[in-house]
Amino acid sequence: GAGVSQSPSNKVTEKGKDVELRCDPISGHTALYWYRQSLGQGLEFLIYFQGNSAPDKSGLPSDRFSAERTGGSVSTLTIQRTQQEDSAVYLCASSPGPASQETQYFGPGTRLLVL
Amino acid sequence: GQNIDQPTEMTATEGAIVQINCTYQTSGFNGLFWYQQHAGEAPTFLSYNVLDGLEEKGRFSSFLSRSKGYSYLLLKELQMKDSASYLCAVRDFSNTGKLIFGQGTTLQVKP
Repeated sequence: GAGVSQSPSNKVTEKGKDVELRCDPISGHTALYWYRQSLGQGLEFLIYFQGNSAPDKSGLPSDRFSAERTGGSVSTLTIQRTQQEDSAVYLCASSPGPASQETQYFGPGTRLLVL
Repeated sequence: GQNIDQPTEMTATEGAIVQINCTYQTSGFNGLFWYQQHAGEAPTFLSYNVLDGLEEKGRFSSFLSRSKGYSYLLLKELQMKDSASYLCAVRDFSNTGKLIFGQGTTLQVKP
């Protein structure tokens, strides 16, 4: 079937506004990850969902960031009161499960620009 | 702490062989991945190593030495389309399977 999809592909917003980024994982994948890729930097882990377990939020940079995953499928990453340093590419990835040799399949990302 | 180092940029000639090194110091280790990322696109999986040694997949091979905290990605018979960023990532021992990435190596293949 289809790969991981994300929307919007690009988002320009003004400082202080809230934004919502959406991720549709590959059907049947129970593990879902959000990463951030800032210019000239490596991918940075943000949050992880696995089935109905409590998410691992250890990578969220501040309390302005939150995410949810409804029905074990679609996930939304919300950034409140955006700041210019939030400008980055936000990548979502999914995998059949978190363990062993299962790789993560990445979506095309949402390019966020905060003016 | 967690630290993964790769060269920032490399240049090679079409048809040649290039080796991209990655060293890591992480609090745990549960496998090392290499991804390829073309500009403006999603990272795509290239290889996975969890045991020491060489894994070969067509023109691409990846090597791991856990005792040295070292891996390399070897690309043979370079093609222009191999121009991309190559990302080294380590999976830690946590049950999340989350990946810790290096900054990536941008490879430019010249004619």
